Amino acid sequence: EVHLVESGGGLVQPGGSLRLSCAASGFTFSFSDMNWVRQAPGKGLVWLARINSDGILRTYADSVKGRFTVSRDNAKNTLYLQLNSLRVEDTAVYYCTRQGEYSFPYWGQGTLLTVSS
Amino acid sequence: QSALTQPPSVSGSPGHSVTISCTGTTSDVGGYNRVSWYQQPPGTAPKLVIYEVSNRPSGVPDRFSGSKSGNTASLTISGLQAEDEANYHCSSYTTNSTWVFGGGTKLTVL
Repeated sequence: EVHLVESGGGLVQPGGSLRLSCAASGFTFSFSDMNWVRQAPGKGLVWLARINSDGILRTYADSVKGRFTVSRDNAKNTLYLQLNSLRVEDTAVYYCTRQGEYSFPYWGQGTLLTVSS
Repeated sequence: QSALTQPPSVSGSPGHSVTISCTGTTSDVGGYNRVSWYQQPPGTAPKLVIYEVSNRPSGVPDRFSGSKSGNTASLTISGLQAEDEANYHCSSYTTNSTWVFGGGTKLTVL
């Protein structure tokens, strides 16, 4: 069974940094493209970033390009999202997803990041 | 990349049908058959219910169906049940090799 568990969320001051992690199990992580999606309180889903299976190809939403960095450690079956220069509007639940061909069939439970002074 | 356009809310009575629309552009919805739909009850993670416009993952009831015409995709839920009450989100792959979601639609079963 596919299992994705995000961690690393919490309370951060504006301008701060944080790294989110997503521990994967139940599938061959090193063969899977992975993505990050976030959801602000009471709002819709927003796609953030994709990384291909070997970590070479990374794509970002314009809204986070230059501030967020997606990476992975296939030896540890773990996906990461480094978030820098955080803003109040980055407050959201952050989900990691295992990509299907062009959809997201598997999601973690999410980790909440609150950016506030 | 602008978000896809969904109605904020729809409602229907048990046993009836509802349709949720998702409008994009030729750079996303209209350009590819790569639209997916997600069901999200409050406080839970999204669940894929339709992929590639009209395909259902294993375990999703055939009451859920998807279609597309031009730049607008649609999710239809027939034979509404109380358990269908949730937020529904559409998504599309785009010409920039990225994804875009809609703003979400709250389905209320009356």
